[in-house]
Amino acid sequence: DTGVSQNPRHKITKRGQNVTFRCDPISEHNRLYWYRQTLGQGPEFLTYFQNEAQLEKSRLLSDRFSAERPKGSFSTLEIQRTEQGDSAMYLCASSLPLRLAGGIGEQFFGPGTRLTVL
Amino acid sequence: DAKTTQPNSMESNEEEPVHLPCNHSTISGTDYIHWYRQLPSQGPEYVIHGLTSNVNNRMASLAIAEDRKSSTLILHRATLRDAAVYYCIPRNFGNEKLTFGTGTRLTIIP
Repeated sequence: DTGVSQNPRHKITKRGQNVTFRCDPISEHNRLYWYRQTLGQGPEFLTYFQNEAQLEKSRLLSDRFSAERPKGSFSTLEIQRTEQGDSAMYLCASSLPLRLAGGIGEQFFGPGTRLTVL
Repeated sequence: DAKTTQPNSMESNEEEPVHLPCNHSTISGTDYIHWYRQLPSQGPEYVIHGLTSNVNNRMASLAIAEDRKSSTLILHRATLRDAAVYYCIPRNFGNEKLTFGTGTRLTIIP
């Protein structure tokens, strides 16, 4: 399977603990995105990378959140001191460079990591 | 980002056409109209996009109003596998992020 993969698929943690999620994009995609989705809502943009550079961050990404893509391949999203409000589905997506994708950049999403903070 | 208005939910019978409307009256002249859908327990997937002209692909057709303030996603023959939440997303050329609304939950009746 050459799609976007995310691990773990589910994570249950206690309030105050740190958690880390991993995303492996489609191999030739240099753009990688993180979104968060709460129940009944559409996904909300958190941040995106072009290769290893983090180029945009939403104000939703508080200082407890950090994302990295150290070698321009996989990415990690860490949440420190989790709160119950962090409970959500965390989605990762990847895309080709816009110049190779007709300027549109279809995003390919992974299955998500569901986080439950008790 | 342009605001969108979609029905919260719609139902359709299996093997019949489905027309999913979207209003985007504040769309700018350089915004493309993208549609994504999210099947249960999956991440969203791209369906189709267009700028001014109607568009067809293997999944669906997109009809765009002449004033571009609304569009309609057309599934020509709905199957049970088309049951999903459908999102209409105006997106400026070169804008990296997708701004999702709450979408339309489509239920297919066997």
